[in-house]
Amino acid sequence: AQKITQTQPGMFVQEKEAVTLDCTYDTSDPSYGLFWYKQPSSGEMIFLIYQGSYDQQNATEGRYSLNFQKARKSANLVISASQLGDSAMYFCAMREGPNTGGFKTIFGAGTRLFVKA
Amino acid sequence: GAVVSQHPSWVICKSGTSVKIECRSLDFQATTMFWYRQFPKQSLMLMATSNEGSKATYEQGVEKDKFLINHASLTLSTLTVTSAHPEDSSFYICSARRSRGTDTQYFGPGTRLTVL
Repeated sequence: AQKITQTQPGMFVQEKEAVTLDCTYDTSDPSYGLFWYKQPSSGEMIFLIYQGSYDQQNATEGRYSLNFQKARKSANLVISASQLGDSAMYFCAMREGPNTGGFKTIFGAGTRLFVKA
Repeated sequence: GAVVSQHPSWVICKSGTSVKIECRSLDFQATTMFWYRQFPKQSLMLMATSNEGSKATYEQGVEKDKFLINHASLTLSTLTVTSAHPEDSSFYICSARRSRGTDTQYFGPGTRLTVL
């Protein structure tokens, strides 16, 4: 079964607007971590933001924020004030806990974001 | 920020030859390194996890004898694709984690392997 689901294969957003990229996950372990990575056309993976399962507040890093809804098992990425350079592939990932995945990190299928000028 | 390098960035080889890919953490010690494979327009697939000084843990379906992983030091892990075939052509990405208690992985730039 899919443990990390990104339902949006592609998204368009107007420059300077905000965009939300969806991510849902499935795990039975109470301890886990959630990540978002950006992969530009160059192929390099760039770490954006991290949320721990026990963190009380939603993570924020500059223009990136993670909308963590634990009960719904969702970890959506919000990018505010989109820039042309934000056009890339975005991956949601989960580091599983010791009881389920042995600390492995698994990735969603990705969402390709296109920022329009 | 932490920097991870990979060498080579791309390689073309003949079928049947072996190819070694290096992954280095340049400014930190990595007790754990991960090797991923990414097919075109697809997500990353974890191949194996290597801890310094011990044998790598391979994911189900990944051939240990075909993809040899060595993590000889805290800053270097190597992936050797033995007797490469065209179906091994892919983008291979490594990542490194500073310590067992740290969640963030830092990724290398990737190595594109093409087997003719």
